[in-house]
Amino acid sequence: QQQVKQSPQSLIVQKGGISIINCAYENTAFDYFPWYQQFPGKGPALLIAIRPDVSEKKEGRFTISFNKSAKQFSLHIMDSQPGDSATYFCAASKGSNYQLIWGAGTKLIIKP
Amino acid sequence: NAGVTQNPKFQVLKTGQSMTLQCAQDMNHNSMYWYRQDPGMGLRLIYYSASEGTTDKGEVPNGYNVSRLNKREFSLRLESAAPSQTSVYFCASLTSGEDTQYFGPGTRLTVL
Repeated sequence: QQQVKQSPQSLIVQKGGISIINCAYENTAFDYFPWYQQFPGKGPALLIAIRPDVSEKKEGRFTISFNKSAKQFSLHIMDSQPGDSATYFCAASKGSNYQLIWGAGTKLIIKP
Repeated sequence: NAGVTQNPKFQVLKTGQSMTLQCAQDMNHNSMYWYRQDPGMGLRLIYYSASEGTTDKGEVPNGYNVSRLNKREFSLRLESAAPSQTSVYFCASLTSGEDTQYFGPGTRLTVL
């Protein structure tokens, strides 16, 4: 049972453009929604996270938009740079044990 | 401060062999996690430990055992390896009161 669905699988964006990755979840008990960034041969690293009491969170060029009624959240990368080329994962969890359920990942390529 | 370390980095096993994957963290974190990452599937939680001496099953625990002997170390054991256990294994840790999981560099395991 895939509780977190992520799209697209892959994405190519021109340098300076906006990259958008979407996730949808099923379990309304989820209360923590992080995005992780992973470079080849490395472990994932937290990029930005949101809780359902806010609809948007921005950190630098990265923004999470959260739609509780639609059970969807998305990552926007503004002014995308070649260094942003990586695989991005959304995830979700409930409660204080943070047992994350992960999306399948999006491979992002930023073309110079 | 090394963060989360994992050993070995690479391993090749034959079907039926056993091995233990080692994970250690030097951040004084309470919770530790073992995930596996397969192509196109994101990460899946194998086992979780909220504190020294406690462990809980995650999504895919079959074929694995874990030990949390002290606060720093959390090991994952494959008693009789199967080709379906070919994967990249990540260990992560988290401290109480925070929500960020810190990941190790991974162990790439191939079972022939």
